[in-house]
Amino acid sequence: EVQLVQSGAEVKKPGTTVKISCKVSGSTFTDYYMHWVQQAPGKGLEWMGLVHPEDTETIYAEKFQGRVTITADTSTDTAYMELSSLRSEDTAFYYCATSRSIVGATDAFDIWGQGTTVTVFS
Amino acid sequence: QSVLTQPPSVSAAPGQKVTISCSGSSSNIGNNYVSWYQQLPGTAPKLLIYDNNKRPSGIPDRFSGSKSGTSATLGITGLQTGDEADYYCGTWDASLSSGRVFGGGTKLTVL
Repeated sequence: EVQLVQSGAEVKKPGTTVKISCKVSGSTFTDYYMHWVQQAPGKGLEWMGLVHPEDTETIYAEKFQGRVTITADTSTDTAYMELSSLRSEDTAFYYCATSRSIVGATDAFDIWGQGTTVTVFS
Repeated sequence: QSVLTQPPSVSAAPGQKVTISCSGSSSNIGNNYVSWYQQLPGTAPKLLIYDNNKRPSGIPDRFSGSKSGTSATLGITGLQTGDEADYYCGTWDASLSSGRVFGGGTKLTVL
């Protein structure tokens, strides 16, 4: 059974950087695309970007371009999402999720991590 | 403002059927597969439907998906109180700022 386990809650000051991890177990890390999704309190889901661990290809959502960096470490089967220049609006749950393709058949997010809460507080 | 449009809320009685719509355009739903996610209160989203109308293993056949043109629909029959959740549609958008997009979410209340 594939599982995604994320790192714990973070409290950060405005202007700083947060880095969240997502460890994959139960399957081959390089078989998947790893996505990150933001969910602000009481709001919907917003896609931030993805990384393909096999070749480190990344695609970022326009909204987060320039502030987000998504990476993958194949030695530990772990994906990371780093968000810089934090502001209060970044207070949210952050989820990692997997898909079998970027677009087309099997591009759905089939496995999700448990979520990591980030609070940006001065 | 979400790229995909869903009704904010729907409601129905236990045992009844409900449908949730998801409206988009030719740059997203019209030319790509749609997936649906269920988010129970306080939990991570869970995949319900992929490739427009396929159910992952373990998802009961009370849940169904369909797509026509630039719209998609999630159907739930035999409603149970445990189905109370937020439901999101998602797909790829191939416009200038390409990427995955979601609907704004629909809150299902089982009366």
